[in-house]
This record gives sequence, C-alpha cells and structure tokens, in this order.
Amino acid sequence: DAGITQSPRYKITETGRQVTLMCHQTWSHSYMFWYRQDLGHGLRLIYYSAAADITDKGEVPDGYVVSRSKTENFPLTLESATRSQTSVYFCASSRREQGPDTQYFGPGTRLTVL
Amino acid sequence: AQKVTQAQTEISVVEKEDVTLDCVYETRDTTYYLFWYKQPPSGELVFLIRRNSFDEQNEISGRYSWNFQKSTSSFNFTITASQVVDSAVYFCALSEMPYNQGGKLIFGQGTELSVKP
Repeated sequence: DAGITQSPRYKITETGRQVTLMCHQTWSHSYMFWYRQDLGHGLRLIYYSAAADITDKGEVPDGYVVSRSKTENFPLTLESATRSQTSVYFCASSRREQGPDTQYFGPGTRLTVL
Repeated sequence: AQKVTQAQTEISVVEKEDVTLDCVYETRDTTYYLFWYKQPPSGELVFLIRRNSFDEQNEISGRYSWNFQKSTSSFNFTITASQVVDSAVYFCALSEMPYNQGGKLIFGQGTELSVKP
C-alpha cells in the first residue's frame, strides 16, 4: 500500500540548474496537484492535472513545468531554479467525483536552491 | 475571490486543556467544501475532516470536534483534553466547484499548536 510517494525527499541545487521532482501514486486517482509550502503563505497551488495529458495552472505557476503522460506520475520541473523556489513541495491526488474529493498528500520534497 | 484566514499563528497550551483553532473563509459560491489537515513535526499532511456547505451539523471524532457556522463563515476546530501528540501545525482549507477543476484547495496560513506537558 504505497499510496503517494515523492522523490527525492531532499534536494540541494544551484541557481540556474534544471530540477525535476517526481510524484507517483498507486491509487489510480484522476486528479493530481503540486503545492509549495512557504512560511507565512501556507500551501499554494502550482499546477494540477485532471487526467493524463490534461494540466492547468494554479496560483503560482511561473518558473515551473509539469507533464502527465501516465495517470500515476506527475513530475514537476523547475527549468532554471531560482533562490525564491527554495521551498517544501507537496504532491497530492484525489479521485474524480461529483465535487471536490479529499486530497491525499505525499511526504514532501524539501528543495534548497543556492 | 476565495480566501481562508487562520488568525491564530501560534497557540500554546498545557496538556489536558481544551483548545479551539479558528478558521474563517470567504467564498462567493453556495457549494463548497471545507477541510482540516494536520502537519506534525515530521512534516507530512494528514487529512482530518471534509465538510460540504450543505451540512452544518457539528462533528465529533474522539477528542476532536468541528463547529461549522455558515452565518459567520467559520469552521472552527476544537481539541478537548489536549495531549502532547497534538502538537502540530493545523491547516484549514477551502475547495470550490466547478467540478472539472478537481477541487483545488485554498489553504489558510496555518496555526501552530504547541501542547506542553
């Protein structure tokens, strides 16, 4: 019963480098989400996906790219990392229902951009 | 626009005290969902409760209870007889329709609860 996993759990990178954070869920949930957590801001939505090959922007999408070729995977790429992208990133998933279902979160990835 | 406000940034109590965490939300929709999540020191986000806007019944689960009042746009969370293990950051969140947006969550800034022995 793996649920939803994220890798890596910790990452240190340098400004300007490309970084990809992985998210994998075993529930076959339709919806997947990426949030970032920063002090004073709570969690903010970066991107979400309703199904394979369907993605859309959230509140803070600039500087990020997502893809979803398979239902179970939803990678988040920072094309050219900046210090302001130092954060804890959470992936979440939920079922498709008549109305918002409960989102279940992965353990998070702590990213530091030097 | 939708918004969730948790005015209490930090709360400190002594074990066995009751504590209430406040959550006030703003939305123009008549149909919406409210959630509470717990984030213990280990960092994961743990789902606690989901409530839809048509169900104003209060809910109790063990030492946890939730009071939903549409008239004041509040969804407060009370822990009775708090324990050290309740120490965590608690987030209130709002999700609106439409259905095809999958219920994006709008989070409050969180309340850090510290329960001292």
